[in-house]
Amino acid sequence: SQTIHQWPATLVQPVGSPLSLECTVEGTSNPNLYWYRQAAGRGLQLLFYSVGIGQISSEVPQNLSASRPQDRQFILSSKKLLLSDSGFYLCAWTVSGAGYGYTFGSGTRLTVV
Amino acid sequence: AQSVTQLGSHVSVSEGALVLLRCNYSSSVPPYLFWYVQYPNQGLQLLLKYTSAATLVKGINGFEAEFKKSETSFHLTKPSAHMSDAAEYFCAVSDRGNQFYFGTGTSLTVIP
Repeated sequence: SQTIHQWPATLVQPVGSPLSLECTVEGTSNPNLYWYRQAAGRGLQLLFYSVGIGQISSEVPQNLSASRPQDRQFILSSKKLLLSDSGFYLCAWTVSGAGYGYTFGSGTRLTVV
Repeated sequence: AQSVTQLGSHVSVSEGALVLLRCNYSSSVPPYLFWYVQYPNQGLQLLLKYTSAATLVKGINGFEAEFKKSETSFHLTKPSAHMSDAAEYFCAVSDRGNQFYFGTGTSLTVIP
């Protein structure tokens, strides 16, 4: 069966520090991968998605970046965090073109102080 | 273009009462439609989905939704609310491609 792992679960980082969040999927090949962010009391904001290794689409210009170094690995990074980067980050995967739906990771609560 | 509108950012119901969460969509192609539930500090969990089979879809935890093309709606219902149903609910539409489009969510409160 397919599983998605996302870590860490919580993170407290000072302003200006770097960020690296990792997401891995098991049990499937060539998944579409996504990073979303939820600000407190807000809906889901799509940050990045990837349909293959090295292929990254950015939906929102900001100081975050994403990379997909392996087929089932998706990394969200920042060189210098801002206070506004605080939020709940969710990784998700699906199969392109099918009614499969997203499967979400358990999320990372990032607080920038 | 695809979009989703969830009417009512907050809904309160009494325990045992009917739950009705509204979702209207806009899609230029026959859509796939989904409902997700999110408990505090957790990821989203798929409740149910419509993928052009039966228009009445049954999901987990006693929820169901009906796809109405003429009304471009996909409302979520449950006959009798339980305290454990208190959560955030998201409706989503897929254009059968690489992206999903989520509504802004509805927070459900269940009053004992």
